[in-house]
Amino acid sequence: DGGITQSPKYLFRKEGQNVTLSCEQNLNHDAMYWYRQDPGQGLRLIYYSQIVNDFQKGDIAEGYSVSREKKESFPLTVTSAQKNPTAFYLCASSIRHSEKLFFGSGTQLSVL
Amino acid sequence: GESVGLHLPTLSVQEGDNSIINCAYSNSASDYFIWYKQESGKGPQFIIDIRSNMDKRQGQRVTVLLNKTVKHLSLQIAATQPGDSAVYFCAEKGQGAQKLVFGQGTRLTINP
Repeated sequence: DGGITQSPKYLFRKEGQNVTLSCEQNLNHDAMYWYRQDPGQGLRLIYYSQIVNDFQKGDIAEGYSVSREKKESFPLTVTSAQKNPTAFYLCASSIRHSEKLFFGSGTQLSVL
Repeated sequence: GESVGLHLPTLSVQEGDNSIINCAYSNSASDYFIWYKQESGKGPQFIIDIRSNMDKRQGQRVTVLLNKTVKHLSLQIAATQPGDSAVYFCAEKGQGAQKLVFGQGTRLTINP
């Protein structure tokens, strides 16, 4: 089945630790996105990538980093500089320049 | 600036009744609108979308209405079922913009 796979489902971060969230898609989509969702709020864009080896900051990129070495993969690293990392993280993909996003099932990140 | 908001954060309806979820937007240059459904602990699922050259679009049990004069978007769900219980998000994209702007979401609860 085609889709977007996020792993792990749940992740815990210790103080001062970097953690990486995985996002893989087999939809052959060019564009990929990372969103952060806090309880009772909408989705806020962290980073997005329209093509391999290129990505742009979204609205809340501070404390996060990404890479796009392969079309299928767009991992997100939550660095120690992100002081409030507890949130539900959603990865999405789309056909290039299409507005319609397809989402993964999310990763819940919590701080120990 | 751009903003997308919802009139009501929660909505309860009786099973079998019709539901109407409303969304206001402020960017008069927005040319694309989309509705997502998000169940607890899952990623958003696409429901229906509409472009600004239309004022109504129908899907299976759902209808989206766009009133550009008052910058208002609504999602109508016919004959609601227990499986319709979820949070519903609207999002919009301005002409020439590269990203969707999401609203806060409305939690729809279906009462038996």
